[in-house]
Amino acid sequence: GAVVSQHPSWVICKSGTSVKIECRSLDFQATTMFWYRQFPKQSLMLMATSNEGSKATYEQGVEKDKFLINHASLTLSTLTVTSAHPEDSSFYICSANSRMIGSYNSPLHFGNGTRLTVT
Amino acid sequence: GEDVEQSLFLSVREGDSSVINCTYTDSSSTYLYWYKQEPGAGLQLLTYIFSNMDMKQDQRLTVLLNKKDKHLSLRIADTQTGDSAIYFCAEIKPRDDKIIFGKGTRLHILP
Repeated sequence: GAVVSQHPSWVICKSGTSVKIECRSLDFQATTMFWYRQFPKQSLMLMATSNEGSKATYEQGVEKDKFLINHASLTLSTLTVTSAHPEDSSFYICSANSRMIGSYNSPLHFGNGTRLTVT
Repeated sequence: GEDVEQSLFLSVREGDSSVINCTYTDSSSTYLYWYKQEPGAGLQLLTYIFSNMDMKQDQRLTVLLNKKDKHLSLRIADTQTGDSAIYFCAEIKPRDDKIIFGKGTRLHILP
């Protein structure tokens, strides 16, 4: 089946530094990738939708300058948490699909997530 | 507020059936999903059902959809210790292809 690889699986960084998280679709071309954030004991919160070759669409309340998303190719999207602070510590998950909007032939597949801890 | 609601916790004895319930609000949702999340891992798609179906069965999993009541359930037969996880119900918003998740139901297996 479709595989989404997310790297790194965990990262610890100091406050003020930037961290990049990669999301790759291994055996399919992902026209759309989604980035989620999961708070402890809560559901996933959609942060942004990333379409290959265009700017990401951010959900309300998500800072574009803080969470930089790049979807440079059909198999790779990156999320960069800039000037990280302890409150950015969370579990970040990406998902990808190869569907065009309006076509529902396949569900989303998720990466294993990245645990970010900012000290 | 949340568009998808599910109870947060379920405790079941090993060997019994588990039934996880979910309600959603968007009647135009075309697909409804069940995902499983094991500790520290991402979400694994368990099964999904198209909105014109009432039931879907896949080995130990049975999904029931009541579109009139916007109610979705996941039944796991012969629950095993490996089924211990958080189960997320999700619906897709057809207009913009966004998936909306419930908060997840933590399934705890009793020996």
